[in-house]
Amino acid sequence: DVKVTQSSRYLVKRTGEKVFLECVQDMDHENMFWYRQDPGLGLRLIYFSYDVKMKEKGDIPEGYSVSREKKERFSLILESASTNQTSMYLCASSRPWGGQGYEQYFGPGTRLTVT
Amino acid sequence: EDQVTQSPEALRLQEGESSSLNCSYTVSGLRGLFWYRQDPGKGPEFLFTLYSAGEEKEKERLKATLTKKESFLHITAPKPEDSATYLCAVPYNTDKLIFGTGTRLQVFP
Repeated sequence: DVKVTQSSRYLVKRTGEKVFLECVQDMDHENMFWYRQDPGLGLRLIYFSYDVKMKEKGDIPEGYSVSREKKERFSLILESASTNQTSMYLCASSRPWGGQGYEQYFGPGTRLTVT
Repeated sequence: EDQVTQSPEALRLQEGESSSLNCSYTVSGLRGLFWYRQDPGKGPEFLFTLYSAGEEKEKERLKATLTKKESFLHITAPKPEDSATYLCAVPYNTDKLIFGTGTRLQVFP
């Protein structure tokens, strides 16, 4: 069974703190993704990684950075948390596109609140 | 601009009352369309991939179909446990997905 896990289900941080969100997948997928999900705005891509140490900005990368040192692990970093980063954060992984079987599998999400 | 639009935003059904959810898209060179189910406070759960117009996929009470401009998720005789938000997504620009904002389905006993 495919599995994507995220380090925390709920997180409360203070404004200005550095925040680390961790994601691990056990499917040997090349691609990994970080999204945030807000009511009325849907899922928005923050960053995408297509290989170890490789990354690409998504639609809303400002205020975030990422790290991928190992194939199975993808970290999202909020350098200095702000209240407008309060959101649900979702990690996903997939095979690269090559015909079929490249759907994304999601983790359970981390509900981050910044006060 | 690539876009995915889902309708309706919300749908209330009586148990057993069949209906359809719509996902329309504007993207050049469609490489597939994905359907997901999302329960409140959880990550999306993959349901189906449709790769070409005319294709259909089924799972229990759900059936997904695809044309050149839109996809439908048909729900036959729904049960309360089918209540969830249903998301569709299409690939763009290599391996990224663009998601619709979803249809929130509520099925009442």
